[in-house]
Amino acid sequence: EPEVTQTPSHQVTQMGQEVILRCVPISNHLYFYWYRQILGQKVEFLVSFYNNEISEKSEIFDDQFSVERPDGSNFTLKIRSTKLEDSAMYFCASTIKLARYNEQFFGPGTRLTVL
Amino acid sequence: AQTVTQSQPEMSVQEAETVTLSCTYDTSESDYYLFWYKQPPSRQMILVIRQEAYKQQNATENRFSVNFQKAAKSFSLKISDSQLGDAAMYFCALSGYALNFGKGTSLLVTP
Repeated sequence: EPEVTQTPSHQVTQMGQEVILRCVPISNHLYFYWYRQILGQKVEFLVSFYNNEISEKSEIFDDQFSVERPDGSNFTLKIRSTKLEDSAMYFCASTIKLARYNEQFFGPGTRLTVL
Repeated sequence: AQTVTQSQPEMSVQEAETVTLSCTYDTSESDYYLFWYKQPPSRQMILVIRQEAYKQQNATENRFSVNFQKAAKSFSLKISDSQLGDAAMYFCALSGYALNFGKGTSLLVTP
């Protein structure tokens, strides 16, 4: 069964460093998302992406974040200068088309630890 | 603004028993969907069940069913005949341009 994959599973970085989190969505899906979950808190939407551009973003997704689909399979989230408060689980999700009833398929997440 | 509230941080149920997880929400939309996602220790979130707001009939998927009270903006999940494999975090989510999640309920299943 096709699934969303994410690498790495755990990333440790120093404050101020750049990190790139990688996701491979399900191959025939067209809409991609990043969410994050700070420990003990709810899963929060960061950004959605369609047709090689951002379609929606939350107030969390500020200038230090960027997303890219560098090739036909990968979808990346870059954090330019990490802060302690960026420590969280980051989940990628994809869906075949944009509709309110569509199931979003989630990856296993990347745990980002900023020291 | 949309909000989703899960007021039970933790719940416990014995194997084979029934448990109900609560969720309330608020939205100004008239047409929306509600979801329950399960997040086992492996961390991958899996859709358990979904409900269309304009459908009166409560959704059912095998041992999982919902009690959807639109006027009360309540969307609870009932798990019947609980199994050890049901132990996980359960998130209630409301559709929009993205999913709006509650804080989750950790379900413990005891033998």
